[in-house]
Amino acid sequence: DARVTQTPRHKVTEMGQEVTMRCQPILGHNTVFWYRQTMMQGLELLAYFRNRAPLDDSGMPKDRFSAEMPDATLATLKIQPSEPRDSAVYFCASGLVQRNEQFFGPGTRLTVL
Amino acid sequence: AQSVTQLGSHVSVSEGALVLLRCNYSSSVPPYLFWYVQYPNQGLQLLLKYTSAATLVKGINGFEAEFKKSETSFHLTKPSAHMSDAAEYFCAVRIGGATNKLIFGTGTLLAVQP
Repeated sequence: DARVTQTPRHKVTEMGQEVTMRCQPILGHNTVFWYRQTMMQGLELLAYFRNRAPLDDSGMPKDRFSAEMPDATLATLKIQPSEPRDSAVYFCASGLVQRNEQFFGPGTRLTVL
Repeated sequence: AQSVTQLGSHVSVSEGALVLLRCNYSSSVPPYLFWYVQYPNQGLQLLLKYTSAATLVKGINGFEAEFKKSETSFHLTKPSAHMSDAAEYFCAVRIGGATNKLIFGTGTLLAVQP
């Protein structure tokens, strides 16, 4: 049963620290998405990759956030330095462009103190 | 530009009653529409999708949705609610072009009363 995996599932850190979240997309998928979910803002798209190339990161605060795909099996989202307002659940999703679907991982719950 | 609007951020039904969750869309191209469900502390899971084939789409867990172009709607229904249906439901529309990038609605939290 192919699934998107995310690590860590929970992260508590202090303001100013670097946070790295990792995602393993489903093997063979050619798109990867990063979302942030909060009670106030709902589900926000942060970044979108196709064939490992970043196509859209307009939803991401550029000064502190960065997203990469070092290879087809790994996507990373980094926050440096982290701030309390970054506390949220971060989801990774992957899919095939031609199938018009996205499959979500279980999320990383980030708390910045 | 594409967008979806979910009417009602909270819906409460009794167990065994009809579930109706509303979604209206706006799209400059023939839309591809989706419903996702999110159970507590989990990621979103695809319930069903409309991609210009049959207008009545059946999904998992007994849910279905009907695409109505004249009403620009894609409401989600289930004839008889079960306690396990309590979750948050998101409607989404694919942005135009050869992409699987989606625009999500704000979600509807479904409560099922015993």
